[in-house]
Amino acid sequence: GAGVSQTPSNKVTEKGKYVELRCDPISGHTALYWYRQSLGQGPEFLIYFQGTGAADDSGLPNDRFFAVRPEGSVSTLKIQRTERGDSAVYLCASSLGVATGEQYFGPGTRLTVT
Amino acid sequence: GNSVTQMEGPVTLSEEAFLTINCTYTATGYPSLFWYVQYPGEGLQLLLKATKADDKGSNKGFEATYRKETTSFHLEKGSVQVSDSAVYFCALSDRGANNLFFGTGTRLTVIP
Repeated sequence: GAGVSQTPSNKVTEKGKYVELRCDPISGHTALYWYRQSLGQGPEFLIYFQGTGAADDSGLPNDRFFAVRPEGSVSTLKIQRTERGDSAVYLCASSLGVATGEQYFGPGTRLTVT
Repeated sequence: GNSVTQMEGPVTLSEEAFLTINCTYTATGYPSLFWYVQYPGEGLQLLLKATKADDKGSNKGFEATYRKETTSFHLEKGSVQVSDSAVYFCALSDRGANNLFFGTGTRLTVIP
């Protein structure tokens, strides 16, 4: 079946602009995760959804970052007033249940803030 | 807190050489441990995992044993192939937590 998909694959935006990154998880996966991967680093956790609710948003760096999953499937990560330091690859993952650890990752969205 | 430290790369090996990538961890509880792999142009994929001490995870000729006494989960393969060229990430998930903690990744290049 289809894996996790993310759109766009690349996004270039100017400092101060607003961006939205989309994630479409594997069908039937109730858990959805967002991570951020900076160059030369491993992914860092941002937020976790179980169903429609954000069960853990402790990794969001500040209030410019927000994510939603209104129908318990597709999720959107929203970044306001982008800064050059937000440039990274944003990864989405999904899994069948809570804290199984077997997360399936999408290809990522490369965000560049100029 | 939780953290993962893995061997810095890049690592370059000849085909059929033995591979070890070291990984040690710090965790507050009893974590599950993972190796993820990222092939060129592809997303992260789970390679293998172990959920308790002394468990051995294995897949595609790769192995790693969960060593609680040394807090380690080293990745090994007896004979690497060119197709194993990728970035390898060690990760942990603490029991009751909802996310993975990753190491910085080790880039492996296998030359014919």
